[in-house]
Amino acid sequence: NAGVTQTPKFQVLKTGQSMTLQCAQDMNHEYMSWYRQDPGMGLRLIHYSVGAGITDQGEVPNGYNVSRSTTEDFPLRLLSAAPSQTSVYFCASSRPTSGRAGEQYFGPGTRLTVT
Amino acid sequence: AQRVTQPEKLLSVFKGAPVELKCNYSYSGSPELFWYVQYSRQRLQLLLRHISRESIKGFTADLNKGETSFHLKKPFAQEEDSAMYYCALTNTGGFKTIFGAGTRLFVKA
Repeated sequence: NAGVTQTPKFQVLKTGQSMTLQCAQDMNHEYMSWYRQDPGMGLRLIHYSVGAGITDQGEVPNGYNVSRSTTEDFPLRLLSAAPSQTSVYFCASSRPTSGRAGEQYFGPGTRLTVT
Repeated sequence: AQRVTQPEKLLSVFKGAPVELKCNYSYSGSPELFWYVQYSRQRLQLLLRHISRESIKGFTADLNKGETSFHLKKPFAQEEDSAMYYCALTNTGGFKTIFGAGTRLFVKA
C-alpha cells in the first residue's frame, strides 16, 4: 500500500493564480482531511470529508474548495492564491475502529509558496 | 467548540531528565485524545492515544477529565526523542480532528 500520497511536493504560485493540490489514499478510509501547518500555529483544519460526496468546513476554510467524488481522492483547490496561503499542506485519512476514532494517516505534505 | 492548547512552543531538556509536554483541551462531548509526533524529515505519525493506555517509546499520557488535560510524560528523555509533538482531539464520531500548536522538544546530550 502506498498509504496517503500528495502531489506536488513543492509549488510556487503568483498571487491570483489557482491550482489544485492532489491527495489520494489506498486504504479505503472513509474520513479524509486537509490541514495547513504554519510556524507557531500548528496544524489547522481546512476542510474534511466523511465519505464520497460529503464535505464540510474546518477551522480555516476561506479561499479553499474541496470535493470528494470517490473514496480514494480528496483534492484541495486554491481559487485565487494569496501570500497568506503560503504554508505546508497535509492531507490525512482515517477510519473508525470498533466505534472509536481511528488513527490519522498523513501524506508527506505539499510546500506552497505564493509570491 | 473543539480547542486544544499546548502552552509551550519549545521545551529543551538534558538527556536522562524527565520531560512533560502539556496539553489542555476544550470540548463539550466525549473526546478522544491523541499525541502525534513529527521527526525530522518524516511524516506526522501517531505516538499514542488515550483509550489504549499504552506506553510507547517510554511515553505515557493520562486523560484527566476534571482538569481537561492530556499531558505527555517520559521519565528519562533520549536524544532521539527530539521532535515536534502535537496533541490532538477527535470529536464524537471520529471524523473531525483538531490539533494544538505543537511543542518542539529538544533533548540535549
